[in-house]
Amino acid sequence: EPEVTQTPSHQVTQMGQEVILRCVPISNHLYFYWYRQILGQKVEFLVSFYNNEISEKSEIFDDQFSVERPDGSNFTLKIRSTKLEDSAMYFCASSEEGGSNYGYTFGSGTRLTVV
Amino acid sequence: RKEVEQDPGPFNVPEGATVAFNCTYSNSASQSFFWYRQDCRKEPKLLMSVYSSGNEDGRFTAQLNRASQYISLLIRDSKLSDSATYLCVVHNYQLIWGAGTKLIIKP
Repeated sequence: EPEVTQTPSHQVTQMGQEVILRCVPISNHLYFYWYRQILGQKVEFLVSFYNNEISEKSEIFDDQFSVERPDGSNFTLKIRSTKLEDSAMYFCASSEEGGSNYGYTFGSGTRLTVV
Repeated sequence: RKEVEQDPGPFNVPEGATVAFNCTYSNSASQSFFWYRQDCRKEPKLLMSVYSSGNEDGRFTAQLNRASQYISLLIRDSKLSDSATYLCVVHNYQLIWGAGTKLIIKP
């Protein structure tokens, strides 16, 4: 079964540092997403990406965040100048369609710990 | 009102019992509806989509009531492996997640 792959599985970084979280979506999917989940809280939408540009973003996705699809396979989330409150699980997801009736496929997540 | 609201539980249920979860959503323009399952510290995994006519997948039955903006999930003959958090998810240009209902199946 096709998978969404995320690396690293766990990242520890010092406050103020930049981190890049990497994702390889399913190859024939066209829509890509980042979600985050702070420990014990609900999953929150960050950003959706289609046709090499951001299609939607939430209030959480401020200037500290950026996304990029640097090549045909990777989809990255960059967090500049990390804060303690950025500590969370970050999930990448992809789907064939934007208005999917079939749900999205999620990667296993990157646990980001900011110290 | 929260966009997607669920009873957080936990629901403690004996193995073999039937359990039902409910979920309400606030945006009447929501387009698609899903139940996801999330094990502790793992990614959410799609359990099933929810259709207006109701749909069944083995021991799982999902119902949607658009008039009441209400979604349900029924699990029959529950197994120990059903223990997880069940997330109600509504799609309206993006996925809007409930906080989840924790289910614990006891032997």
